[in-house]
Amino acid sequence: DAKTTQPNSMESNEEEPVHLPCNHSTISGTDYIHWYRQLPSQGPEYVIHGLTSNVNNRMASLAIAEDRKSSTLILHRATLRDAAVYYCNYGSGNTGKLIFGQGTTLQVKP
Amino acid sequence: DTGVSQDPRHKITKRGQNVTFRCDPISEHNRLYWYRQTLGQGPEFLTYFQNEAQLEKSRLLSNRFSAERPKGSFSTLEIQRTEQGDSAMYLCASSVTGGPTYEQYFGPGTRLTVT
Repeated sequence: DAKTTQPNSMESNEEEPVHLPCNHSTISGTDYIHWYRQLPSQGPEYVIHGLTSNVNNRMASLAIAEDRKSSTLILHRATLRDAAVYYCNYGSGNTGKLIFGQGTTLQVKP
Repeated sequence: DTGVSQDPRHKITKRGQNVTFRCDPISEHNRLYWYRQTLGQGPEFLTYFQNEAQLEKSRLLSNRFSAERPKGSFSTLEIQRTEQGDSAMYLCASSVTGGPTYEQYFGPGTRLTVT
């Protein structure tokens, strides 16, 4: 199963950018990297995914290292509503199952 | 709202009883997944369906657990002879085959408490 390493927790100030790192050293060449987040008392929510190139969407940006062994989720301007647990994982997408690690708990201070 | 729905949202049961949960996926989604999440942990994959076919089951899914998706629409997850260790949040998610299957849409979950 896919194994990722993330910091247990991070803090940010409101309106500031946040960079959430993830190591995935055992990723293979065809595995996609994806990020989900889970707000309190809710199910996980898809954030973004990528393969090799950096990706942007309305929620966030994903920066992928050249060797693909790590990636960084970037929230450009954190809001209080971004306080959540952020999970990164990877897989080929053939089965579709997601393997979640412990995730990073993001606190956003006003 | 056409998101994933789960019923019930909360269930309290006594050890040894059977429980059944229901998941209604997004209508055009043909893949459906079940996960379990205990406090402080990330969700753990249990099983998934493509249409009515159950394509993969986790080793976590003991013989007390059974899942069905009889007509390729809603799904049920049954736990027989519940144990206290079954207390958890049970999450359902759905996605579209042919799309990015890692883009799954999750329901709000059913919280099970076994006393």
